[in-house]
Amino acid sequence: GQQLNQSPQSMFIQEGEDVSMNCTSSSIFNTWLWYKQDPGEGPVLLIALYKAGELTSNGRLTAQFGITRKDSFLNISASIPSDVGIYFCAGVPGANSKLTFGKGITLSVRP
Amino acid sequence: DAGVTQSPTHLIKTRGQQVTLRCSPKSGHDTVSWYQQALGQGPQFIFQYYEEEERQRGNFPDRFSGHQFPNYSSELNVNALLLGDSALYLCASSLRRGNEQFFGPGTRLTVL
Repeated sequence: GQQLNQSPQSMFIQEGEDVSMNCTSSSIFNTWLWYKQDPGEGPVLLIALYKAGELTSNGRLTAQFGITRKDSFLNISASIPSDVGIYFCAGVPGANSKLTFGKGITLSVRP
Repeated sequence: DAGVTQSPTHLIKTRGQQVTLRCSPKSGHDTVSWYQQALGQGPQFIFQYYEEEERQRGNFPDRFSGHQFPNYSSELNVNALLLGDSALYLCASSLRRGNEQFFGPGTRLTVL
């Protein structure tokens, strides 16, 4: 089945730094979404992207829908301790709404 | 504005038993999707309900079944539980099968 690739599995940054993470696929997706999950909680929707090349911001978060429609990028600027968590990308391949998730990237922020 | 709610929070069952998990969608939403999240993995799509019918199904056996009620709430049933069914079960709601899905806190199922 379709798989989304997120790497590395973990990232460690200093408070105040920017961080970028990407998500790639061998298949085309029509929608890309980024979620953040804290321990013991459900994923929280951060950003949704609907068009190739689209760049969308949500506060300190910026995400882009790759031109090839096979990748997406998330950037977090000026990181703070509450940015700690697991970041998942999810894609929707067609007109349906079945989300395919990556394995997630665990972000740690050192004060 | 009420978000997605799920019950129970935690559940412990033994192999072979049956379990029912419940979900109430976010206010104004009419579509419910269920996902299984194993430890260290991303959520895996189980199925989606809209207008009280199963609209899509992921790669899960028939032991996994569901239902949607007229008030849009939903249940996930799992029969003949296996150890491998231990996971966090997430419910997500959306409007008219839209792609922006909002998740509940999940039900942690442990099968012994």
